[in-house]
Amino acid sequence: RKEVEQDPGPFNVPEGATVAFNCTYSNSASQSFFWYRQDCRKEPKLLMSVYSSGNEDGRFTAQLNRASQYISLLIRDSKLSDSATYLCVVNIPAGANNLFFGTGTRLTVIP
Amino acid sequence: EAGVVQSPRYKIIEKKQPVAFWCNPISGHNTLYWYLQNLGQGPELLIRYENEEAVDDSQLPKDRFSAERLKGVDSTLKIQPAELGDSAVYLCASSLGASEYNEQFFGPGTRLTVL
Repeated sequence: RKEVEQDPGPFNVPEGATVAFNCTYSNSASQSFFWYRQDCRKEPKLLMSVYSSGNEDGRFTAQLNRASQYISLLIRDSKLSDSATYLCVVNIPAGANNLFFGTGTRLTVIP
Repeated sequence: EAGVVQSPRYKIIEKKQPVAFWCNPISGHNTLYWYLQNLGQGPELLIRYENEEAVDDSQLPKDRFSAERLKGVDSTLKIQPAELGDSAVYLCASSLGASEYNEQFFGPGTRLTVL
């Protein structure tokens, strides 16, 4: 079983739409969670960290449900520039910087 | 401030040949990581260094892969001999320290094609 599972998509949404990605993780001891963004043929870059129940940054909201072991990312008012792959990332074990990446969810925002 | 530097950006070799990738982390970053990313997958950790010490190499295929970070700054990852299945992007990342709260910054990667 993979440490992190996420729907690979693709998600094709019109500009201005709201889109949500979900991700599940298997290790209940994990304490740190992240969403990374990866543009085509580029390196992953940190989008948001999720240390408690959630985090909001402008149009982006990340939520964590420890009981169900899932993390979500909500993007409101989608822009063309949001088109990318969004990687769900979990730190295992707690206290060390060991990142486990999901396969990524590809988003295309259509004009 | 310069980011993580990797070279070469692209490499094409024939199977059974050796290949080496180089990484220079962000200045002052003590922890360095090498990841492998296959097409359509997320990065997977190969090895993690804290200064010059390899603290986690459990996922490194040691029969053909080796890595070093002799002076605790830049690092080299080598494959000898390369196999067709090694075609992937090799990403280097660095962080200030080993704490889970230290952000990992990635380099642009080396795209390896084995023919």
